[in-house]
Amino acid sequence: RKEVEQDPGPFNVPEGATVAFNCTYSNSASQSFFWYRQDCRKEPKLLMSVYSSGNEDGRFTAQLNRASQYISLLIRDSKLSDSATYLCVVKGAGNMLTFGGGTRLMVKP
Amino acid sequence: NAGVTQTPKFRILKIGQSMTLQCTQDMNHNYMYWYRQDPGMGLKLIYYSVGAGITDKGEVPNGYNVSRSTTEDFPLRLELAAPSQTSVYFCASSSPGSYNEQFFGPGTRLTVL
Repeated sequence: RKEVEQDPGPFNVPEGATVAFNCTYSNSASQSFFWYRQDCRKEPKLLMSVYSSGNEDGRFTAQLNRASQYISLLIRDSKLSDSATYLCVVKGAGNMLTFGGGTRLMVKP
Repeated sequence: NAGVTQTPKFRILKIGQSMTLQCTQDMNHNYMYWYRQDPGMGLKLIYYSVGAGITDKGEVPNGYNVSRSTTEDFPLRLELAAPSQTSVYFCASSSPGSYNEQFFGPGTRLTVL
């Protein structure tokens, strides 16, 4: 079983749609959680951290369920510029990050 | 403030050749990392460093070496290039802390033929 698993997609949605991605992780000792965004042929960039109580940043909402070991990302009112690959990332001890394979989102006009 | 810079951007190597991928950061971060990303896959950690003079293996260290003589620089060495090392290589840096962001360089695309 992979340490961090994501549905690779692609998710094809129209502009304005709401889309949700889930991610599961296997290590119950994982300490912190993130969503990174990666545009085609570019480096990953931090989209948002994921806190136990859930958190929101504009159109983006992240949730963490430690008991079930999954993380979610909700994007409301999708924009064309949201088209990218979204990487679920889990941090264990020692500042080490483990990346999921990514979920590809394509927002169509 | 340039962040994390990597050179070269692209490189084609023949099997058995050697090369060094350069990485420099100007954010005074203690932690630095090297990852590889194969097509359609997530990033895998090759080596990391928690400070000058200290390095440690990540998940996929075979075929690579690193050094960390200064806070700013963290070069990655490929000694005998193999086709399996064809990948995109990303360097990253961060401060310590659970929620501190890792900042990535633009990547080096390496092809071994």
